[in-house]
Parts: sequence; C-alpha cells; structure tokens
Amino acid sequence: DQQVKQNSPSLSVQEGRISILNCDYTNSMFDYFLWYKKYPAEGPTFLISISSIKDKNEDGRFTVFLNKSAKHLSLHIVPSQPGDSAVYFCAASLSGNTPLVFGKGTRLSVIA
Amino acid sequence: GAVVSQHPSRVICKSGTSVKIECRSLDFQATTMFWYRQFPKQSLMLMATSNEGSKATYEQGVEKDKFLINHASLTLSTLTVTSAHPEDSSFYICSARDRSVGTEAFFGQGTRLTVV
Repeated sequence: DQQVKQNSPSLSVQEGRISILNCDYTNSMFDYFLWYKKYPAEGPTFLISISSIKDKNEDGRFTVFLNKSAKHLSLHIVPSQPGDSAVYFCAASLSGNTPLVFGKGTRLSVIA
Repeated sequence: GAVVSQHPSRVICKSGTSVKIECRSLDFQATTMFWYRQFPKQSLMLMATSNEGSKATYEQGVEKDKFLINHASLTLSTLTVTSAHPEDSSFYICSARDRSVGTEAFFGQGTRLTVV
C-alpha cells in the first residue's frame, strides 16, 4: 500500500511555462513534506519542503502548496528551464528521526 | 548545508563475492542513517535503518544476512552486500538527517552495483 503517490510518471513542459507536479498521500500523521530532484546515477537533491502547519512555501522559482484536507501537495516551477529536466520525488515524513517515504517520481522534461 | 558522502560511486563485482559501501556524514553527527535501493524507473525503497551502536532495523523482505549494516560511529555507516548475485545489481543510496539543521534528509551520491 503506497502512502505517497505520484500518479503522473512523466510531464513535458515548454521552456518558460509553468511546471506543476502533483503528489497525494494517505497517512494523515505525516507532518512534513519534501520535494527532491534526481538525475540518473546520482543521489536525490533536496529542493523545497513544507510543514503540515503551512499551506504554501516559496523559494525562488519553486513553490510548494499543501492541501491537508485533500491530502495533496504540488510543486510549481515557474518559469521552467531546460536544466529542470530530471525526476522529481515527493516525500513525506513523520515526526522524529524516521525515514522519508517516497513517491514513485515524475520525470519532468522541459523543452527548449 | 549538511553533506553525506557515499563511496564507491560505482562497483562491478563477480557473483559470489562481497561488496562494502560506505556512507559518511561529513559535517554533522548522524545517530541514524537510512539505506535505500532504487530499481530502474522505480522509487527509492527503504531497505533498513542503521542505528549507531545498535543493530539495524530491516524492512520487510530485506534479508539481514545478505545486507549487513554496521553503524560503528556517529559519522559512518556501512552496507555490505554478501555473496552478491546478479539480481543484487541496483543503485544503492544512503541518507541521514541532521536534526539540528532541519527536517530534510541529505543523500549520498549513490552506488551503482553491477554483479557479473
């Protein structure tokens, strides 16, 4: 049973437009949500996070939105750049020093 | 930000041999580290939680005798794949969380293991 779901395996967006990556979760006990970017044969790189007490967090071109009632979060990248092309993983965390639970990832391709 | 270093990045070994992968937290102490495995085009699957000074906690379906984890110090955890077989070929990644910095986990560079 997957606790974190990314239902879109891939997404293509034109350079300069907005990229929206979605993530759903089932465990209402999660209190922290994170987005990671991953290139092939490399470890994930942390992008942005949001606490469950917030509904929006912004960092430059990246904004994460959290809808707790819908158990849904999304990552917005605007404007999208070719260098953003990678696999994006959504992850969720319980309180304490617990492992992150990852979605299956969404491959973003930004076309010039 | 915190840095986690993983070594080696790539290893090819013969079937039946053992391979050791090291994971180090370079600028913080990690009482807990996590080992993940990623199959092609799939998510990161947690294999085990490595606890400094005590036994690792393995996820269901992960053979503890095959994947030996040792967390001898606050900055080093090792994963040894024993008697490796071709089906063990995968991408292994470690991570650690520096609770003094934030809640995000920092990942090593990953190790591509190929068993021939």
